[in-house]
Amino acid sequence: SYELTQPPSVSISPGQTASITCSGDKLENTYTCWYQQKPGQSPQVIIYQDNKRPSGIPERFSGSTSGDTATLTITGTQATDEADYYCQAWDSSNRAVVFGTGTKVTVL
Amino acid sequence: QVQLVESGGGLVKPGGALRLSCAASGFSFSDHFMSWIRQAPGKGLEWVAYINSGSSYTNYADSVKGRFTVSRDNAKNSVFLQMNSLRAEDTAVYYCARYGGYDSGCDLWGQGTLVTVSS
Repeated sequence: SYELTQPPSVSISPGQTASITCSGDKLENTYTCWYQQKPGQSPQVIIYQDNKRPSGIPERFSGSTSGDTATLTITGTQATDEADYYCQAWDSSNRAVVFGTGTKVTVL
Repeated sequence: QVQLVESGGGLVKPGGALRLSCAASGFSFSDHFMSWIRQAPGKGLEWVAYINSGSSYTNYADSVKGRFTVSRDNAKNSVFLQMNSLRAEDTAVYYCARYGGYDSGCDLWGQGTLVTVSS
């Protein structure tokens, strides 16, 4: 089955830039979305179509894709950005939605 | 108010069944694909199923295929997940989400409902 692999955790100091990768062998042929999930809350989409931000999402969140790796970048990380982050893509072969393994971002 | 509200979760014995409901409001429900996603305790997100706007197409994760059935009632702005032959590994918070397509992802989520499968 199609898999999207993320690093389990990323630690970052406030004000620094955090990068979270998502690797999958079909990513270059589809779009990637990114979700943020804070403790006790439902996930929220923060990036869609690789690099677009929904209304209300801060500009410090950005997305990019190169080859089979998508990257979520948080520029000028804030304490409120501490959360779990998931990538998600479409598996066209199985017409299925696929989520990444998730990355816990800790702001030290 | 644009929202999704799940209900129907609870404690069920292995082999049992449960039906989850998700009530939508504040948007044109019949225009959208809808999806169910679950999250086991302390684990990541797992897509479960989706249904297209007219109920003519559904698809399921391999882990639930043949046991779960997704349906919808556009007149009642609701989507359902019938879960049969439940197993301990089905224990999770189940989220209903509006699926915007392969480019937009799941752009609206409910608060989730907890399903616990245990004897």
